[in-house]
Parts: sequence; structure tokens; C-alpha cells
Amino acid sequence: AQKVTQAQTEISVVEKEDVTLDCVYETRDTTYYLFWYKQPPSGELVFLIRRNSFDEQNEISGRYSWNFQKSTSSFNFTITASQVVDSAVYFCALSVADRGSTLGRLYFGRGTQLTVWP
Amino acid sequence: EAQVTQNPRYLITVTGKKLTVTCSQNMNHEYMSWYRQDPGLGLRQIYYSMNVEVTDKGDVPEGYKVSRKEKRNFPLILESPSPNQTSLYFCASSLGPTGVGEQYFGPGTRLTVT
Repeated sequence: AQKVTQAQTEISVVEKEDVTLDCVYETRDTTYYLFWYKQPPSGELVFLIRRNSFDEQNEISGRYSWNFQKSTSSFNFTITASQVVDSAVYFCALSVADRGSTLGRLYFGRGTQLTVWP
Repeated sequence: EAQVTQNPRYLITVTGKKLTVTCSQNMNHEYMSWYRQDPGLGLRQIYYSMNVEVTDKGDVPEGYKVSRKEKRNFPLILESPSPNQTSLYFCASSLGPTGVGEQYFGPGTRLTVT
């Protein structure tokens, strides 16, 4: 069975602090994809990043960075020098792609509410 | 403008009264999905579709029906809504498989069943 755990329900930081959102996943498949989505207070869901299980390279995009570690089944998301506009709910998600998969299922974690105070 | 649209955006209904939430995308995407979002539970997939006339269950399909008669449309049908289906519903589409590519989400439909 596939599962995504975001243990941090809520995080509050003050602007300019760095913050890391944790994501731990469970799957027995060897081929899988990991995602992060952002849901700002306006409610829409926005894609941030996708990683496949064969690419453990960390990624950096501006103030955002992602650390993928298969050894600990984690795909953590770090925001450097946080800003008020980063306040949102962040979701981690998993899909599996081993033989027989339709590649249609996506498993989300319960989300982490990040609040950045000015 | 490339987008996923949902209608209605807000709906209050009574138990047992059949309803349909429409979803339409103008990006010629193959895959479409429906999710519900509940406090503390995150997003859970209800159904997804890989192409016209091809659909499959997600995590929480009970009480819902879908159809995909045209590529651009993927309506969600609640034949006999119950209060536990009160939720925020999102439709999404992607060019490639749901589990591989970036999904584009609609604005959401907030449904209340009394």
C-alpha cells in the first residue's frame, strides 16, 4: 500500500527564517514519483515539483529546495528566507509506476499549514 | 487561457437530491481526476480517467459516479448525496498520466449536504 505522511500539521515562522516541511512516503514499488503542491489562502492548487525514484539529485529553485533521500524515504521541502507570501498549505504526493500500474493514482499527504508572520 | 473550470463553485443541497458537478478543460489533456479535500485529511482521489470512456476508482469512490464521454469533460455525479459528502471538491487534468505529470486543478466546488 502507498502512503504519504506529513507529520507537521502546522508550522509558524517569522519572515526571513528558513523552514523545512517534512514528507515521508511508503511504497514497495521501485518506480515512483513524488510531488509537492501548494495551496495558498485563495484556495487553488499549484504544482511545485516532481521527482522520480531514480533521480536523487536535490533541486533548487530560487528560495525553494527539495531534498530527496531514498534511504529514509523522505522528500523534504525547504524554504529559505521565508516570506509572508509563502503562507499556504503544502501537500506532498506519491504515485507508483511499477508494472501493472495505470499511472492514474495519486496519494496525497494531509498537508502542512505554513504561516509566515511579518 | 488554459484552464480547468468547475461548476457550480458553491452548492448547498439536501440529502438524496441528485446533483452533478461539471468539470471541463481546454488543454486537450488525456487524464482527468476528481479529489475531495476535508480538514485534517488532505486530498483524496475519488475517480480518475485515462481517456474517453476509460475511468477507474481512486481512494474514496463510494457514493460517486463519473463519466467521460468527451475528452474535455469529466462530470462528477452524486446520485443520492449524504451529509458525509459535504466537502471541497477539485477536478484536475494532466497531459500525461496523473501520477507522472503536472496536474492543473480547477478552482474547487464547495458542497454542503444538509
